[in-house]
Amino acid sequence: GAGVSQSPRYKVAKRGQDVALRCDPISGHVSLFWYQQALGQGPEFLTYFQNEAQLDKSGLPSDRFFAERPEGSVSTLKIQRTQQEDSAVYLCASRPRGTRVPYEQYFGPGTRLTVT
Amino acid sequence: GENVEQHPSTLSVQEGDSAVIKCTYSDSASNYFPWYKQELGKRPQLIIDIRSNVGEKKDQRIAVTLNKTAKHFSLHITETQPEDSAVYFCAASLGSNYKLTFGKGTLLTVNP
Repeated sequence: GAGVSQSPRYKVAKRGQDVALRCDPISGHVSLFWYQQALGQGPEFLTYFQNEAQLDKSGLPSDRFFAERPEGSVSTLKIQRTQQEDSAVYLCASRPRGTRVPYEQYFGPGTRLTVT
Repeated sequence: GENVEQHPSTLSVQEGDSAVIKCTYSDSASNYFPWYKQELGKRPQLIIDIRSNVGEKKDQRIAVTLNKTAKHFSLHITETQPEDSAVYFCAASLGSNYKLTFGKGTLLTVNP
């Protein structure tokens, strides 16, 4: 079946512009995570949704970062007034409901954001 | 919060040799430890994982060991092949619906 998809795959923004990054999780997956991966580093947690509820946003680096998942499926990560330090790959991951299913988080291909 | 340290940052081996990557974690409540392989420009893909109620898990050429007392876990790849070349990340989590905390990664190069 289809995996996690993200769009756009690449985004170039001028400093100060707003951007919106989209994540389409695997159908039926309840949990959705956003991670930020800087060049040469491991992914770092940004925020977590269970259905439409944002249960953890402790990793969002500033109030310029905002995420939503209004209908419990597609999620959007918005970055306002982009800065050069926001340049990174933004990864989305999802997993199904339940404790009897594997714990694996399934990752999307990421959106590479470059702020010039 | 959780902190995961990963070593080495780069590892070069000859085809057919074994490779070992080690990670330590700080939060004794962590109970899920996956390993991801990431090829250049691609998404991270799970290669093996272990939960804290198990000390070792093996899947063909790949094995993971966990020492809860010492709070460290290791990835072992035997009979390495050039297609094993990639960046490998370890991670730790409190459980199924919690974030993953990743190590900084190990660039593995398998020379033919």
